[in-house]
Amino acid sequence: QSALTQPPSASGSPGQSVTISCTGTSSDIGSYNSVSWYQQHPGKAPKLLIYEVNKRPSGVPDRFSGSKSGNTASLTVSGLQAEDESDFYCMSYAGSSKYVFGTGTKVTVL
Amino acid sequence: EVQLVESGGGLVQPGGSLRLSCVASGFAFSSAWMHWVRQVPGKGLVWVSQTNSDNSGVGYADSVKGRFSISRDNAKNTLYLQMNSLRDEDTGVYYCARGGVLYGLDCWGQGVLVTVSS
Repeated sequence: QSALTQPPSASGSPGQSVTISCTGTSSDIGSYNSVSWYQQHPGKAPKLLIYEVNKRPSGVPDRFSGSKSGNTASLTVSGLQAEDESDFYCMSYAGSSKYVFGTGTKVTVL
Repeated sequence: EVQLVESGGGLVQPGGSLRLSCVASGFAFSSAWMHWVRQVPGKGLVWVSQTNSDNSGVGYADSVKGRFSISRDNAKNTLYLQMNSLRDEDTGVYYCARGGVLYGLDCWGQGVLVTVSS
């Protein structure tokens, strides 16, 4: 049950886009559409951004979008804003009532 | 307002036990799937355990299986995590969160700190 692999960091200037990858295996991301993404600001609880690969909960801006290809999921943040500077995590169902998070990506707005 | 409030954390020696509680309000707790997630301050999120609405289906991370037990009392709108044989590496902030297989974890508590140390 290894963590999904994310790049440790990503960055972009205001208004630009940044894409974060989340690489798993055929036992988790590759087998299920149960991929979700979370944003966490320092000292705060995580917040759900994307569920079921590409669906946004009510209230989440459409600047956040998700996709999946094979064993890799991706989160794209378009039109970067200062408040997007935070940590991002992916999560996938891994079968047998188990789940796994990604290693996390720190996004910096330059 | 949908709310989850954890309690029961603290300092415990290696090998000891602790029971965390998470009281839910503002939604139909008895219909919700629930999770526990751990985070060492400054580190990443680690999924710990999940239970379905009536506790008939549960799951555990390999690192806690056999030592931790998740349960719930739907009459009290409360989720529990019984943690036995605690190890140093169990230290962290424990969050309870609501979520099903497809829908992600859409509501989180504020977290409770567990420190395992001699």
